[in-house]
Amino acid sequence: GENVEQHPSTLSVQEGDSAVIKCTYSDSASNYFPWYKQELGKGPQLIIDIRSNVGEKKDQRIAVTLNKTAKHFSLHITETQPEDSAVYFCAAAISSGSARQLTFGSGTQLTVLP
Amino acid sequence: EAQVTQNPRYLITVTGKKLTVTCSQNMNHEYMSWYRQDPGLGLRQIYYSMNVEVTDKGDVPEGYKVSRKEKRNFPLILESPSPNQTSLYFCASSLFLGTYEQYFGPGTRLTVT
Repeated sequence: GENVEQHPSTLSVQEGDSAVIKCTYSDSASNYFPWYKQELGKGPQLIIDIRSNVGEKKDQRIAVTLNKTAKHFSLHITETQPEDSAVYFCAAAISSGSARQLTFGSGTQLTVLP
Repeated sequence: EAQVTQNPRYLITVTGKKLTVTCSQNMNHEYMSWYRQDPGLGLRQIYYSMNVEVTDKGDVPEGYKVSRKEKRNFPLILESPSPNQTSLYFCASSLFLGTYEQYFGPGTRLTVT
C-alpha cells in the first residue's frame, strides 16, 4: 500500500520567514495530494490540495509543489504569522474511484516565533 | 452550520468495558471515516463507509466495529477496549468517496486504563 513520509517533524521559524514541509510517497498511482492544518484541540482542516496534472498551486501565502518523477510534494508558507502555528499533515490518494483512502504523513509541528 | 460532531469529547474507561463514540454529520455526505491519531504516526484510518450499510476496514481495524444505519451517523464501537486503544479519535466525512475534501470532527480523547 501507499506510504507517506513527512519531514521535518518539528519546525520553528521567526515571524515573517518562510516555512517548507516536505513529503514523499511510494505509490506512483497516487494522484491527489491534500494538506491539512490541525490547530490545538481541533480536527484537521483542508488548506490546499493539488492533483497530479499540475506542478504547483498557490493560494495567497500558501503554495504546494509536486514532483511526480521524484514522488515528492512540498508545502510552502511565506510571510509566516503566529496563527500559522499548528500541526500540518500531508496526504496522498488515488482518485480512480477505488476504495483506497487517504494515507497521511506523520505530521509537522510548526511554531512561528514572534 | 455544516459540521461533524463527536461525542464524548473526552472519555476515561477501564479495560474491557464496552463503549461507543458517536459521530454525526449534517452535510448529507455519503462517505464517512474514522481515524486514530497517535504521536509520530499521523492519522491512521480505522474504518470507512461509502454509504448506508456499506462499510469496510481501513489500515488499523482490529478491536473496533462500526455501523452505518443512517446516512448522517457513523458510530465507532469498542467492544472490549484495551490500553493500546488509548488515542485521539477523529470522525470525518466527505461528499463522495476518496479524494474530495474531508471534514473532520473535533476529536475524542480516549484513555483506557
